[in-house]
Amino acid sequence: EADIYQTPRYLVIGTGKKITLECSQTMGHDKMYWYQQDPGMELHLIHYSYGVNSTEKGDLSSESTVSRIRTEHFPLTLESARPSHTSQYLCASGRDRVDNEQFFGPGTRLTVL
Amino acid sequence: AQKVTQAQTEISVVEKEDVTLDCVYETRDTTYYLFWYKQPPSGELVFLIRRNSFDEQNEISGRYSWNFQKSTSSFNFTITASQVVDSAVYFCALSERGTGANNLFFGTGTRLTVIP
Repeated sequence: EADIYQTPRYLVIGTGKKITLECSQTMGHDKMYWYQQDPGMELHLIHYSYGVNSTEKGDLSSESTVSRIRTEHFPLTLESARPSHTSQYLCASGRDRVDNEQFFGPGTRLTVL
Repeated sequence: AQKVTQAQTEISVVEKEDVTLDCVYETRDTTYYLFWYKQPPSGELVFLIRRNSFDEQNEISGRYSWNFQKSTSSFNFTITASQVVDSAVYFCALSERGTGANNLFFGTGTRLTVIP
């Protein structure tokens, strides 16, 4: 069973606020990922990391930024939230395996008013 | 090009009916991996199964079964005697070894509703 945590689970904020979505895993996984999920269900990879001090942009362009200072922690930051950022954000992690199996956190549902 | 296609956007069945969720994939790699994930209303994606391209043996786990056919590039998922707790969005995903990337290519998901 995966041990990956996301906080907050739900967040409603006003336009222009800076926010950080937290993601932590206790499995020692090198790889971590952030996905944005549309209301229509489709998942889009926005950031990923191979390990400490490694961050890469995903397939979907995002105004968010990430950092990976510690293996277990992969926070996502929005400097100035806008209504277009309203979405579900899912964090995942995985071992360095060829099959790229990923374990997912419970998600953060963000609403920007 | 879409690498994973889940043509069924939404399916509704009555409890105890069997239901099959379709997944068709596209890849040029000879080594690849296929996954199914379940996303219940609570939001997290729950891992269900992983298959590699060299293992076409079908798998059964309780009421769940998976039919992997390389000839048709399909990896379909059947739930037997469906239950209300099976209501969720189900995602099929593909990982390609040859690209060197670390992405899972997800389908667009199928929302299953099991009516009591």
